[in-house]
Amino acid sequence: DTEVTQTPKHLVMGMTNKKSLKCEQHMGHRAMYWYKQKAKKPPELMFVYSYEKLSINESVPSRFSPECPNSSLLNLHLHALQPEDSALYLCASSQLDLAPSGNTIYFGEGSWLTVV
Amino acid sequence: AQTVTQSQPEMSVQEAETVTLSCTYDTSENNYYLFWYKQPPSRQMILVIRQEAYKQQNATENRFSVNFQKAAKSFSLKISDSQLGDTAMYFCAFMNVPAPNFGNEKLTFGTGTRLTIIP
Repeated sequence: DTEVTQTPKHLVMGMTNKKSLKCEQHMGHRAMYWYKQKAKKPPELMFVYSYEKLSINESVPSRFSPECPNSSLLNLHLHALQPEDSALYLCASSQLDLAPSGNTIYFGEGSWLTVV
Repeated sequence: AQTVTQSQPEMSVQEAETVTLSCTYDTSENNYYLFWYKQPPSRQMILVIRQEAYKQQNATENRFSVNFQKAAKSFSLKISDSQLGDTAMYFCAFMNVPAPNFGNEKLTFGTGTRLTIIP
């Protein structure tokens, strides 16, 4: 069962709001990812957590703050966003080992974010 | 840095026909993975097929198969007996194998091919 669950599915927020996107997986994966996808473009990597530690930050503005409370959960805290941050935010996970599927990244359904 | 090129922005094919989507990539690495992901209008990114670079045998998953040409750095996807549910954006993606430093895997995506299956 390859399932990554994201909430909420849709979020509308003002530029002064603070909100969070949540992601959960119960596949025992030890790496979790946040990607941002604009319309008609491929996903762009934002953050990678491996073994609950931040391993990659792709120079993302500080108004995006990731958090990995445990190996199953990943949050993305949003504060003082701009309208250009409106996009689909995809969470993903992978197993992180030499198993046949270890390096395969599985995606959630995404959270549509609109900043007004 | 790796690059992935999908030269067909859009394609369409009649239902039940076979279609091939092209992908080329550029890397100096010898050990890596290649993927095809499908993104239907619902926008969920769904894994279609995966290929390890060290394997000479082409991967297959039911109606989906790849033609992996390592020397040519080519990785095309063939969809046989196409179905209406195959209508989606298809992304080719590349991943290094940074073992033993797991945790730094990155997917590099192509720009995608929008495939429409015509009834």
